[in-house]
Amino acid sequence: GENVEQHPSTLSVQEGDSAVIKCTYSDSASNYFPWYKQELGKGPQLIIDIRSNVGEKKDQRIAVTLNKTAKHFSLHITETQPEDSAVYFCAARLYSGGGADGLTFGKGTHLIIQP
Amino acid sequence: DAGVTQSPTHLIKTRGQHVTLRCSPISGHKSVSWYQQVLGQGPQFIFQYYEKEERGRGNFPDRFSARQFPNYSSELNVNALLLGDSALYLCASSLGRGTGELFFGEGSRLTVL
Repeated sequence: GENVEQHPSTLSVQEGDSAVIKCTYSDSASNYFPWYKQELGKGPQLIIDIRSNVGEKKDQRIAVTLNKTAKHFSLHITETQPEDSAVYFCAARLYSGGGADGLTFGKGTHLIIQP
Repeated sequence: DAGVTQSPTHLIKTRGQHVTLRCSPISGHKSVSWYQQVLGQGPQFIFQYYEKEERGRGNFPDRFSARQFPNYSSELNVNALLLGDSALYLCASSLGRGTGELFFGEGSRLTVL
């Protein structure tokens, strides 16, 4: 099955600086890669996603890049703000024989924005 | 508009007991998925239901079962609870089976003593 590795597990950056979180996946059949933000006591919230036919996608301060050959994708957050502090998860869509849309998640990155 | 709603938000059970968790998807969404999130880990896929049928299952034992009702709401059942079942159980809904975006609820926090 699919395996998603995420690094780093904790990332501390100064407010206003950029943050980069990296993920690798194992199953070349995966073609959908979302990123979720989870705040304490809440469910994960989708912040950006990318499909395999696109190499980069940007939404204001957030961007995601995908390298299908190397099987890795990254989240970039620019001009970080205190409200960016949260746990971020990358995921890849797993295809089973039945065609289920189950996501395989990484273990998460705790992003801390230092004032 | 209401998002994905789950109940109960918190519950405590003892080993060997049974638990039922409930989920109401976003209005118009026909697919519901269940995930288990152990503290400090990413969510792990348990089931997906679409149009009241199981469409996918993750690597979980038969003690875990689920169903989807005609109104697209769903229940997750876990029998013979183990200490290791303690986790946040997340429900997610999506428009259809093949659409990518999942909308998660706040989860049900299960503690097994």
